[in-house]
Amino acid sequence: AIQLTQSPSSLSASVGDRVTITCRASQGIRSTLAWYQQKTGKAPQLLIYDASTLEGGVPSRFSGSGSGTDFALTISSLQPEDFATYYCQQFNSYPLTFGGGTKVEIK
Amino acid sequence: QVQLVQSGAEVREPGASVTLSCKASGYTFTAYTIQWVRQAPGQRPEWMGWIKGRYTQYSQNFQGRLTITGDTSADTVYMELSSLRSEDTAVYYCAREDSTRAFFDYWGQGTFITVSS
Repeated sequence: AIQLTQSPSSLSASVGDRVTITCRASQGIRSTLAWYQQKTGKAPQLLIYDASTLEGGVPSRFSGSGSGTDFALTISSLQPEDFATYYCQQFNSYPLTFGGGTKVEIK
Repeated sequence: QVQLVQSGAEVREPGASVTLSCKASGYTFTAYTIQWVRQAPGQRPEWMGWIKGRYTQYSQNFQGRLTITGDTSADTVYMELSSLRSEDTAVYYCAREDSTRAFFDYWGQGTFITVSS
């Protein structure tokens, strides 16, 4: 199975900060990566797919980049509603796998 | 609008089975794959399996304990997990797969299963 390693596992940031989360795959997965946001007690919500395509309705401050084994999710200016846990997910091959998550907290 | 509505929380003893439902609305049910993902407390999501029509695929992690079925007349998918153990305590989600690739564009609200004696 393809392993996804996210870093950092948690971070503290202030409103307005630029935040970058990385996701590394154990083998090349082209651009078959999605990013989700999950708030406490809620289901994950799709933010980005194909590594860099923004899902409809997602604010433009979210962006994704990368291909192969190294990927990043960037929030250009952190807003209060962005404090949550973020997961990457690969859909290159089965079994589908998720990263370990990055919890974004308020500084 | 697309909605996936799941059945309510369940409590089971070790060794028992549980069946959850996921009712879809707002789109053509037969045109999309439904996936099941679970998430133990404080853990990353874990892929379980999918169904589209009469086709299914399961994660090997469930070694014959998992069965996913569908009722197209009711636009509903069912997930049965048997021989439950404490490690199966988790929130179980159904999710709709994108039309062409295996990421999840809509999710159910989740169903918490507690396995405890």
